[in-house]
Amino acid sequence: EVQLVQSGAEVKKPGESLKISCKGSGYSFTSYWIGWVRQMPGKGLEWMGIIYPGDSDTRYSPSFQGQVTISADKSISTAYLQWSSLKASDTAMYYCARHVMRDGVVATISYYYYYMDVWGKGTTVTVSS
Amino acid sequence: SYVLTQPPSVSVAPGQTARITCGGNNIGSKSVHWYQQKPGQAPVLVVYDDSDRPSGIPERFSGSNSGNTATLTISRVEAGDEADYYCQVWDSSSDRGVFGTGTKVTVL
Repeated sequence: EVQLVQSGAEVKKPGESLKISCKGSGYSFTSYWIGWVRQMPGKGLEWMGIIYPGDSDTRYSPSFQGQVTISADKSISTAYLQWSSLKASDTAMYYCARHVMRDGVVATISYYYYYMDVWGKGTTVTVSS
Repeated sequence: SYVLTQPPSVSVAPGQTARITCGGNNIGSKSVHWYQQKPGQAPVLVVYDDSDRPSGIPERFSGSNSGNTATLTISRVEAGDEADYYCQVWDSSSDRGVFGTGTKVTVL
């Protein structure tokens, strides 16, 4: 069974650092992109970024570029999301999700896209003084 | 940046059909994917590539996409379908994922 198991809930103070994890199992971890999605309390889903564990190629949403760091350790099939200095506005649920990449050609123009087929259960991060 | 707009809520009686729209500029040229999120749970993929269903998703869930609107249709709605639903595309111009604003489906 394909699974993504996320680390437990965190309570932190503003200014502290944090690294949460997402361990994949049941599939070839280095063959799929894996990414992170934020959901603030009572709000919708926000795509943050993805990493390809095979070569650590990483892409970020402009909204999160420079605010977080996505990394992966393929030797233990684990992806990470980290902050160097948390803010109260980082309080949210964070989901990791396996991304399936598809490609195609339209009018001689090649393109690619991703969708998320397997999700972790989420990690709650609370930042409060 | 690319924007996907969904109605905030849709209400439907059991056994009837729910249609959830996802509007975006020329969305018909993109592949659209749909996720169901029940309260307190992680999202689940219910439709990918406009109209394909992952294994285990009932045939009652179907999708279509044309022009500026994609639609998720839930036929013969059941109480267990009550959830938030999100559409998603990949924005090639900014190389990032984009989610719709989300629609809460209420079963009357």
